[in-house]
Amino acid sequence: QKEVEQNSGPLSVPEGAIASLNCTYSDRGSQSFFWYRQYSGKSPELIMFIYSNGDKEDGRFTAQLNKASQYVSLLIRDSQPSDSATYLCAPGNNRDDKIIFGKGTRLHILP
Amino acid sequence: DAGITQSPRHKVTETGTPVTLRCHQTENHRYMYWYRQDPGHGLRLIHYSYGVKDTDKGEVSDGYSVSRSKTEDFLLTLESATSSQTSVYFCAISKERGGNNEQFFGPGTRLTVL
Repeated sequence: QKEVEQNSGPLSVPEGAIASLNCTYSDRGSQSFFWYRQYSGKSPELIMFIYSNGDKEDGRFTAQLNKASQYVSLLIRDSQPSDSATYLCAPGNNRDDKIIFGKGTRLHILP
Repeated sequence: DAGITQSPRHKVTETGTPVTLRCHQTENHRYMYWYRQDPGHGLRLIHYSYGVKDTDKGEVSDGYSVSRSKTEDFLLTLESATSSQTSVYFCAISKERGGNNEQFFGPGTRLTVL
C-alpha cells in the first residue's frame, strides 16, 4: 500500500517568514511530485511539479526533492495571508493512471 | 480555468435513495476521476475513467458505480445512499495519464445523506 505522509497542522507562520511544508512517501518508484493548494471551500489547484532531485523555484515557492530519503518539501518565502490554505502532496509515477494524495497540511499565515 | 462543471453543487438526500452526480468537461481530456474529501482523510479516489466506457476502481469504490458514455461526461452513482457517504465530491480531469500529469479539479459537490 503506497503511503503519503504529511503533518496535518495547522502550521502557523508569521507574515513575511518562510513556511516549510514536508511530505514523505513510501513508493520508491515515484519519479515526480505534485504540490496542490486548496483554499477553504474550494477545489485543489496545482502550484508546483518537480521530477528531479534538488530544488525547483517558481516565484516565492521552492520545491525540494530528495529521492534517496523519499522526502519532498515546499518552501514559501515572504509568506502572505493569501498563502493560508491546505497544501496537498502527491507523488507521481509513470506506471499508473492515478495518484495518491497526502491528507494535506493546513497553513495559517499570521498577519 | 479548465472547463469542468459538476452538478448538482449541493444535494441533501435521505438514506436509501439513489443519487447521481455529474461531471462535465469541455477540454476533451481522456482521463476523468471522482474523489471524495472528508476531514481527516484527505482526497480519496473512488473511480476513474481512462476513456469512453473504460473505468476502474479507486481506493474507496464500495457503494459507488460510474459510467462514461461520452468523452465529456462522467457520472457517479450512489446506488443506495448511506450517511457515511456524506462528503464533498470532486471530479478531476487529466489530458494524459493521471499518475504523472496535472489534474484539473471541478468545483465540487457537497452531498449530505440524512
